[in-house]
Amino acid sequence: EAGVTQFPSHSVIEKGQTVTLRCDPISGHDNLYWYRRVMGKEIKFLLHFVKESKQDESGMPNNRFLAERTGGTYSTLKVQPAELEDSGVYFCASSQEGSGRVQYFGPGTRLTVT
Amino acid sequence: QKEVEQNSGPLSVPEGAIASLNCTYSDRVSQSFFWYRQYSGKSPELIMSIYSNGDKEDGRFTAQLNKASQYVSLLIRDSQPSDSATYLCAAYHWYSGGGADGLTFGKGTHLIIQP
Repeated sequence: EAGVTQFPSHSVIEKGQTVTLRCDPISGHDNLYWYRRVMGKEIKFLLHFVKESKQDESGMPNNRFLAERTGGTYSTLKVQPAELEDSGVYFCASSQEGSGRVQYFGPGTRLTVT
Repeated sequence: QKEVEQNSGPLSVPEGAIASLNCTYSDRVSQSFFWYRQYSGKSPELIMSIYSNGDKEDGRFTAQLNKASQYVSLLIRDSQPSDSATYLCAAYHWYSGGGADGLTFGKGTHLIIQP
């Protein structure tokens, strides 16, 4: 069974540009989560989808971040316009239906904003 | 504000010894706890999950949970050099209405197993 996949693995963009990150969860997993790790800090929760519905986006830093999960399959996270402080590793995780389920993480996308 | 605290280390343990990793959490309603292992530049990999007070054993790993003290630990027996990694403690709770939020992570403990 394929794990969580993310694309791209690494992205370098200039301040003010737009970047879109993609996450493909494990097949059949209704829950999809986005997290971010900024250098020197802990992994922080950004938002949670159940199928195509956003359940909780309390961790989203600001309105420059837009997450979507059309059709309840893969998800995208767009940053527009990117700022220097957006640099970090963005992880996606998925879990089966139900609360408290184990989350399986993807390899992450390392975003560098210059 | 939910917080999970871990000693960042590094924690150095000789090969074959027991490595003991500790974690405390601030939110009394946290209900599920997880230990993830992360190698440098890789994704977090689940090692153990624990939901009830007491011990849970899986191979060389034992997770311990004490909800009264808000304390979670991970013991690694017969430590191997391949166990050298950063170990992340994470807590998860869901609301009485059935909703849930994401995991709250600690910063991780860097473990070094010395051959």
